[in-house]
Amino acid sequence: DSGVTQTPKHLITATGQRVTLRCSPRSGDLSVYWYQQSLDQGLQFLIQYYNGEERAKGNILERFSAQQFPDLHSELNLSSLELGDSALYFCASSPDRGARTDGYTFGSGTRLTVV
Amino acid sequence: ILNVEQSPQSLHVQEGDSTNFTCSFPSSNFYALHWYRWETAKSPEALFVMTLNGDEKKKGRISATLNTKEGYSYLYIKGSQPEDSATYLCALYNNNDMRFGAGTRLTVKP
Repeated sequence: DSGVTQTPKHLITATGQRVTLRCSPRSGDLSVYWYQQSLDQGLQFLIQYYNGEERAKGNILERFSAQQFPDLHSELNLSSLELGDSALYFCASSPDRGARTDGYTFGSGTRLTVV
Repeated sequence: ILNVEQSPQSLHVQEGDSTNFTCSFPSSNFYALHWYRWETAKSPEALFVMTLNGDEKKKGRISATLNTKEGYSYLYIKGSQPEDSATYLCALYNNNDMRFGAGTRLTVKP
């Protein structure tokens, strides 16, 4: 157990629907990162939050949004889902704003299947 | 941020063999280079973070070096074991952006 908790582990939903993925960072970590891994692709950075505020944005679609709450857990909202959104979504956390000295701690991921 | 290239894409070795793979990058304009180990059906796990040219890190049978002047990092595994089978990811961190390579998938045959 890495200390980063992601729920749910699996999610199957229909096109056009909206889902929310949840992440609780490792105790003491202030930054949360969301990554997407599609079939045959590497980890693609979506967005980072640090202590409740958006810190960096990657290739995140406008249909996707995220937030980090005062208790530091984060949610990734995916709406108007398309078949191509099917992927493994990882959450990671780190103690501070970045990763200059510490690696990320990853959760076990949420596998989203859009049918 | 920089593109990260990893080679080879996959590697099959026999138990007991030592092996190494490469992470290459076009410029040294980054804060840190990370190596992660990603076992199937699990989450990536941080192995090393290196920041300076010439950095060497070691954890058990696994070690890594960083050469920012020539634009590469090597990951070495001495005496590979079946439990070393995993995908090894290299990532560059710069300005709130962590860019991952596609990884090297290592399979160690007993």
